[in-house]
Amino acid sequence: GENVGLHLPTLSVQEGDNSIINCAYSNSASDYFIWYKQESGKGPQFIIDIRSNMDKRQGQRVTVLLNKTVKHLSLQIAATQPGDSAVYFCAEREYYGGSQGNLIFGKGTKLSVKP
Amino acid sequence: KAGVTQTPRYLIKTRGQQVTLSCSPISGHRSVSWYQQTPGQGLQFLFEYFSETQRNKGNFPGRFSGRQFSNSRSEMNVSTLELGDSALYLCASSLGASGGRNEQFFGPGTRLTVL
Repeated sequence: GENVGLHLPTLSVQEGDNSIINCAYSNSASDYFIWYKQESGKGPQFIIDIRSNMDKRQGQRVTVLLNKTVKHLSLQIAATQPGDSAVYFCAEREYYGGSQGNLIFGKGTKLSVKP
Repeated sequence: KAGVTQTPRYLIKTRGQQVTLSCSPISGHRSVSWYQQTPGQGLQFLFEYFSETQRNKGNFPGRFSGRQFSNSRSEMNVSTLELGDSALYLCASSLGASGGRNEQFFGPGTRLTVL
């Protein structure tokens, strides 16, 4: 789709399998993290978020894990479906002593689900 | 409730021209943020408006500007267009200012091509 970068990392999974999408964030001062899904021709859609005082949060079929020690975020999708095929972005919000900054997005990972 | 709408969806301009893009947030949302998305740089924050005031600004040249009206609708303007301005421009709205866990809802974007 028109929103997909030419050189995005790609994860290809079989329908029904679990998917794990990883993201390394840059700033240890970031206190809030979000995963977005972007389908071709559409804007990003919120999936799940997590604050830095948590290390795990679950939603419907999705789980986000946060490892602050190594500044790593992951998104797990259970029982992946063809409709999950999209580009997934992680985003971090930096926190500067009482003032919250803007969202900084990762480059994205393209998830391709094989039926 | 209608989602975020952006007009136009597609636009072709030539170098040196200027362009104005429009965003109508979800009813009741007071914050509007603008992002530029390109295959090479990914999603980059341009600026955020809240209650007609620019609250945050990303690292873009002064050719990029924006404003917000009393009804929360927002416009962004790019003057003296360059080839590198070709991108998908995304608008996102949220209830409050972007600090905190106000979920951002994205529009479908305006695809700008500069020839």
